[in-house]
Amino acid sequence: QSALTQPASVSGSPGQSITISCTGTSSDVGANNYVSWYQQHPGKAPKLVIYDVSNRPSGVSYRFSGSKSGHTASLTISGLQAEDEADFYCSSYTSSSTPLVFGTGTKVTVL
Amino acid sequence: QVQLVESGGGLVKPGGSLRLSCAASGFNFSDYYMSWIRQAPGKGLEWVSYSSSSGRTIHYADSVKGRFTISRDNAKNSLYLQMNSLRDEDMAVYYCARGLEGWDYYYMDVWGKGTTVTVSS
Repeated sequence: QSALTQPASVSGSPGQSITISCTGTSSDVGANNYVSWYQQHPGKAPKLVIYDVSNRPSGVSYRFSGSKSGHTASLTISGLQAEDEADFYCSSYTSSSTPLVFGTGTKVTVL
Repeated sequence: QVQLVESGGGLVKPGGSLRLSCAASGFNFSDYYMSWIRQAPGKGLEWVSYSSSSGRTIHYADSVKGRFTISRDNAKNSLYLQMNSLRDEDMAVYYCARGLEGWDYYYMDVWGKGTTVTVSS
């Protein structure tokens, strides 16, 4: 099972909105809604920011939103803030022999 | 507060073995699916294994199947990962993570700080 494909980096200025894509196949992102997103600051553990494509866990900022179309899921961060600078990973259930797969990761830079 | 603390990482030679532990506190451990996820130096996340709340259902990534064994002791609020026949590519930070309530292993809402496994001769 290959990793889901994400852009290596995305950047934006404070206050802007950015979108990170996560492209999979008909065996993973395209086949179910078990898609999630994690934020990881340098040297820290990942933090769940979106689950079930578009749901936010309690305590996660409303500025984070998720969506999916076909084989591609997306994470949008609105009103970009300096604290949003981190690595972001998508994840999906997959029908392959390895049931969970992560994306390649995207480094978000706040200019 | 809800917490996961991993331990047991260290330096091991290729072909060697190591046992990781994860101590849970602040929640009813026996109610939750638990997973191990790893991250090689400078690389992305890789899911390794999960255990159902009872320990009866277990699954592994193809990359570790036959070499790693996940287990749990609900009486001790602890999760374990026995790693045998270690390879260079197993070198990583290993995270213990809790499955989001009601969602089995699909999403992980609580993570430990990780324990580092170094494989080198």
